[in-house]
Formats: sequence, C-alpha cells, structure tokens
Amino acid sequence: GENVEQHPSTLSVQEGDSAVIKCTYSDSASNYFPWYKQELGKGPQLIIDIRSNVGEKKDQRIAVTLNKTAKHFSLHITETQPEDSAVYFCAASRNSNYQLIWGAGTKLIIKP
Amino acid sequence: GAGVSQSPRYKVAKRGQDVALRCDPISGHVSLFWYQQALGQGPEFLTYFQNEAQLDKSGLPSDRFFAERPEGSVSTLKIQRTQQEDSAVYLCASSSRLGTAGGFGEQYFGPGTRLTVT
Repeated sequence: GENVEQHPSTLSVQEGDSAVIKCTYSDSASNYFPWYKQELGKGPQLIIDIRSNVGEKKDQRIAVTLNKTAKHFSLHITETQPEDSAVYFCAASRNSNYQLIWGAGTKLIIKP
Repeated sequence: GAGVSQSPRYKVAKRGQDVALRCDPISGHVSLFWYQQALGQGPEFLTYFQNEAQLDKSGLPSDRFFAERPEGSVSTLKIQRTQQEDSAVYLCASSSRLGTAGGFGEQYFGPGTRLTVT
C-alpha cells in the first residue's frame, strides 16, 4: 500500500524567512496531494493541494511542487509570519481511492 | 456558518468501558469520514459514509469499533470495551461532494475528540 514519509519532523525558522517541508510517496498511482495545517486543539485545515497533471501551484505565500518521477512533493512558505506556526501534514491518494494516506507531520516554529 | 462540530471534546474512560463520540457535519454535506490520530502522527482513515450508507469501514481497527449515520447527517462512532491503545484524537470530516478523492474536494475537519483510556 501507499506510504508517505515527511521531513523534517520539526522546523524552526526566523520570521520573514522561507520554510520548506518535503514528502515522498511510494504508490506511483497516487495523483492527489493535499497539504493540511493543524493548529493546537483544532482539526486539520486544507491549505493547498496539487494533482499529478501539474508540477507547481501557488497561492500567495504558499506553493507546492510535485516531481512525479522522483515521487516527491514539497510545501514552500515564503515570508513566514508568527501565525504560520502549526503542524503541517502532507497526504497522498489515488483518484480511485478516497483514502488519504498522511505523513507524520512537521511542527513549524516561527521565531520572532 | 457553522463548521463540523464534535462532542465531547475530551473523554476519559476506564479500560473496558464503552464510549460514544458524536459528529455533526456541515449541513448538507453528503460525505462523512472518521479518522484516528495518535499523538504526534497524521490521521488514519477509519470509515466513510455517503449519506446514511457506510461504504467503507476497512480502517476500523477491530470489531469493537462501530460507526453509524442513520439519517445521513449526524454520525456516532462507538467503541466498546475500550483498551489503552484506543487512546487518541478521533477526527470527523465532511465534504459536500461525492466520488473519488479527486472529486471529494476539500474535507472540512472538526476539532476532534481526545479519548484517554486509563
């Protein structure tokens, strides 16, 4: 079955700097890759997603890149702000299977 | 508008007790999911409902776990004879769309119920 690995487990960056979180997946049939942000005491919230027919997607300070050949995808956050502090999860699934397989999460800490 | 709500937010159960966790999805959302999130881990799929029909329960860890959504709105996850390994946050999510993952669109999550089994 699908396996998603996520790195790093903790990332600390200075406010204003960029943060990059990386994930790899094992199932070459996976074609949907969402990223979720989870704040303390809350459920995950979708922040951006990408499908396998595109290589990059941007939404203001957030971007996701996908390399299908290498089976990895990354989340990029630019000009980080204190409110970006949270746990970020990547996930993957096949179009024919709605089950999302999640990474273990990255705790992002923005230092003032 | 109101999002997905879950109750109780926290539940402490003695080993062997039965518990019932409630999920109120966003009104009109046809798809409903339950996930189990262990400490420091990503959520793991438990079960999926399309309206009142439970189409997939392959993620339920044992026959002690049971979920229902009798009228296609509110859902209840029941755990019988709780064990310490059941301690986790149980998340509920709903989506307005049907179909495969690519067609589900965004899954909206509730805040979760933190279950502690002592």
